[in-house]
Amino acid sequence: KAGVTQTPRYLIKTRGQQVTLSCSPISGHRSVSWYQQTPGQGLQFLFEYFSETQRNKGNFPGRFSGRQFSNSRSEMNVSTLELGDSALYLCASSTQGAQVTEAFFGQGTRLTVV
Amino acid sequence: DQQVKQNSPSLSVQEGRISILNCDYTNSMFDYFLWYKKYPAEGPTFLISISSIKDKNEDGRFTVFLNKSAKHLSLHIVPSQPGDSAVYFCAASGDNYGQNFVFGPGTRLSVLP
Repeated sequence: KAGVTQTPRYLIKTRGQQVTLSCSPISGHRSVSWYQQTPGQGLQFLFEYFSETQRNKGNFPGRFSGRQFSNSRSEMNVSTLELGDSALYLCASSTQGAQVTEAFFGQGTRLTVV
Repeated sequence: DQQVKQNSPSLSVQEGRISILNCDYTNSMFDYFLWYKKYPAEGPTFLISISSIKDKNEDGRFTVFLNKSAKHLSLHIVPSQPGDSAVYFCAASGDNYGQNFVFGPGTRLSVLP
């Protein structure tokens, strides 16, 4: 069974640009969550999508947005990039949502903003 | 304000001995807790979880203990192996619906041969 796949693995962008990251969850998983990992802040929850709807949202500015498609694949977009957006962006998928269950993470996309 | 704390940034243990990683939380609404292990350049890997209705959960060499009154949980690894060397994250959730986890800052475990 294939794991969570994130593309691209590495990305370098210039301040002010926008970026789109992609996540393909494990087959059959309908929940996709996004996290930002930085050395200073650790892993911080961005948002969660379930059945194409944003179900939970963390404390990030509106520049961070996402969506989920009917096949459960998800994209995350960051507009007007800032230097502080440089981080490892992790996607996690899980089966469903009546109860909290463990999430399975992808390898992440390393975004560097210069 | 950190809701999930791991006060030891690093821990070194001899191979074969017990590793104890600690985690404290402040939000009494958390009712589900997980431990993840992370190697460099990889995403976190789920290790073990515990819900607030239990005080212990065991899976092979890994045991998680939960003390709700103290808002404290710990992960015991016995016996420790060099392959256990990684960063360990404690995570908590208060949702019965959804996957909004609050992660601790992590503890880097080094198991020395």
